[in-house]
This record gives sequence, structure tokens and C-alpha cells, in this order.
Amino acid sequence: AQTVTQSQPEMSVQEAETVTLSCTYDTSESDYYLFWYKQPPSRQMILVIRQEAYKQQNATENRFSVNFQKAAKSFSLKISDSQLGDAAMYFCAYRSVGGATNKLIFGTGTLLAVQP
Amino acid sequence: DTAVSQTPKYLVTQMGNDKSIKCEQNLGHDTMYWYKQDSKKFLKIMFSYNNKELIINETVPNRFSPKSPDKAHLNLHINSLELGDSAVYFCASSQLKTIGLAGHNEQFFGPGTRLTVL
Repeated sequence: AQTVTQSQPEMSVQEAETVTLSCTYDTSESDYYLFWYKQPPSRQMILVIRQEAYKQQNATENRFSVNFQKAAKSFSLKISDSQLGDAAMYFCAYRSVGGATNKLIFGTGTLLAVQP
Repeated sequence: DTAVSQTPKYLVTQMGNDKSIKCEQNLGHDTMYWYKQDSKKFLKIMFSYNNKELIINETVPNRFSPKSPDKAHLNLHINSLELGDSAVYFCASSQLKTIGLAGHNEQFFGPGTRLTVL
């Protein structure tokens, strides 16, 4: 069974600085998707970024980028030029490709605080 | 135009009661999901329906019964509520299979329903 681990329960960053959130996962599958979701205090789940395992190039979405290391089963999220609105709970998630279901397997989350 | 909506957003009830949470999506997706987020913020899949057929049924007490009248709706009925059922319940929807190489079957989440059992 696949598992997702986020070893940082809480992180803090100064506004305009850069922060990296860690995520590792375990799987025997060769193809899969990895995601970072943001959950602000409103509790809405917002997709931040997606990475397909077959792609070597790291995904980037504006100030958000990932460092995907497939051999190490590592998928970290880098937030550049942090803004107050980035303060939220961040979840790393895994999803199989081509399976019978699309279930997402989540990590335990990292609570990010942004200091003004 | 809300993509995935849930009602109610908040639900406070007594132990032993029976309650339902409703979910509707207007995205034309064929698959819907229920996730539970516990007090420690851990999110876990409970159920999933594809075209009204149950495709995921995780280890959940049988007091929880999902019902999908059509592919745009997925309701969650909980019997004999217990204190441990207090959580936020999220509905989500997606297409089950991607369409073409560029297709993505992302899951879109509803706003969540905070259930408090007293």
C-alpha cells in the first residue's frame, strides 16, 4: 500500500522569503501523480501543483515549484516570495495512474505560518 | 457558480441521532468521493461512486451509508452518531479516467461539512 509522509508538522517563513515543505512517499508503482493541496482557514481544499511521475521536469506554477526526486521518493514544495495569503495547511497527496479508482492518499499536513 | 456544493456546512447534533450530508457537483464528472478530516487534520478517503456504482468502500463503520441517486449527487447518511464521528467531511468529484494524454482527472473539493456530535 502507498503511504505519504510529511515530517514537518509546522513551518514558519518571513514574508517575501522562500520556504520548502518536505514530502516523502512509498510506492511500488512506476507511474503515479503527486499533488500539493493548500487548505487555508476557510478549510477549502485548493490544488496548488501537480507532478506526473513519468515527467522528469519539475512542475512550476508561478511562485510554487516542486523538487521531484523519483528515486528517492521525495516531493518537496518550494514557495518563493512568500505572501501572507500563503499561510495555510499544506497537504502532499499521491494518486495511482490507471487504477480502478482515483483515491487520493494524503500526508498528515504541514501548517505554514507567514510572518509579516 | 459553485462547482461542488455541500449542505449543510455546519451540523451540530446529539449522540445517537441520524443525520445526512448532501453533495452536488455541476462539473459533469462521473465520479464522486467522500473524505473525512479528523481533529488532527488527517484526510482519508471513505467512499467513491462512479456512475452511481460504489467503487471505493474503505474500512468505515456500517453506520455510514453513501447513496448516489445520480452521478451529480452523492449523499452520506450516518446512523447512531457517536462522539468520534465529529470531523469535517469533504465531498469531491472528478472524471475517473483521463481523456487523452493531456487530460487530467483532478478532484475538485466541496467546502466541507463540519459535523459536531455532542
